[in-house]
Amino acid sequence: AQTVTQSQPEMSVQEAETVTLSCTYDTSESDYYLFWYKQPPSRQMILVIRQEAYKQQNATENRFSVNFQKAAKSFSLKISDSQLGDAAMYFCAYKKGAGNMLTFGGGTRLMVKP
Amino acid sequence: DTGVSQNPRHKITKRGQNVTFRCDPISEHNRLYWYRQTLGQGPEFLTYFQNEAQLEKSRLLSDRFSAERPKGSFSTLEIQRTEQGDSAMYLCASSFEAGFSTDTQYFGPGTRLTVL
Repeated sequence: AQTVTQSQPEMSVQEAETVTLSCTYDTSESDYYLFWYKQPPSRQMILVIRQEAYKQQNATENRFSVNFQKAAKSFSLKISDSQLGDAAMYFCAYKKGAGNMLTFGGGTRLMVKP
Repeated sequence: DTGVSQNPRHKITKRGQNVTFRCDPISEHNRLYWYRQTLGQGPEFLTYFQNEAQLEKSRLLSDRFSAERPKGSFSTLEIQRTEQGDSAMYLCASSFEAGFSTDTQYFGPGTRLTVL
């Protein structure tokens, strides 16, 4: 079974600075997808960024980028120029290529200090 | 284009009662998923539908749980004889899957269930 591990329960960053959230996963599949979702307090989960395993290039979405290390099974999220609105729970998730369900990590709570 | 909606947003019930939640997916999405999220944890998969067919169920989905998606549109999740351990946020998500492509799952706001 696939597992996703987020080793940082909480992280803190100063506004305008950069922070990196870690995620590792375990799979024997070669075709899969990885996602970072953001869940603000009492609000719904929204997609931040996604990465297809077959793509070597790291995905980027504005201030958000990933460092995808396939051999190491690592998928970290970098948030640049952190803003107060970035404060939320961040979940890393895995989906097998031909599969259906998302497998989530335990989450990292990000706090942004003004 | 409206997102995924869920009703009710909050439900408080007494142990032993039955509850039903509703999810309305994004209109063109053919897949619908249910997840459960307990406090401080990541969501866990419960079940999913491809159109009206329920194709996969997690072992977390005990026989007290039943889900339907009549006509392949909205879905309902019913929990019978609720237990305190059922207290959680129930999340619905939808996606469009065709062939070998994988679309993103878009989540609703969830229904928070509290069983007293």
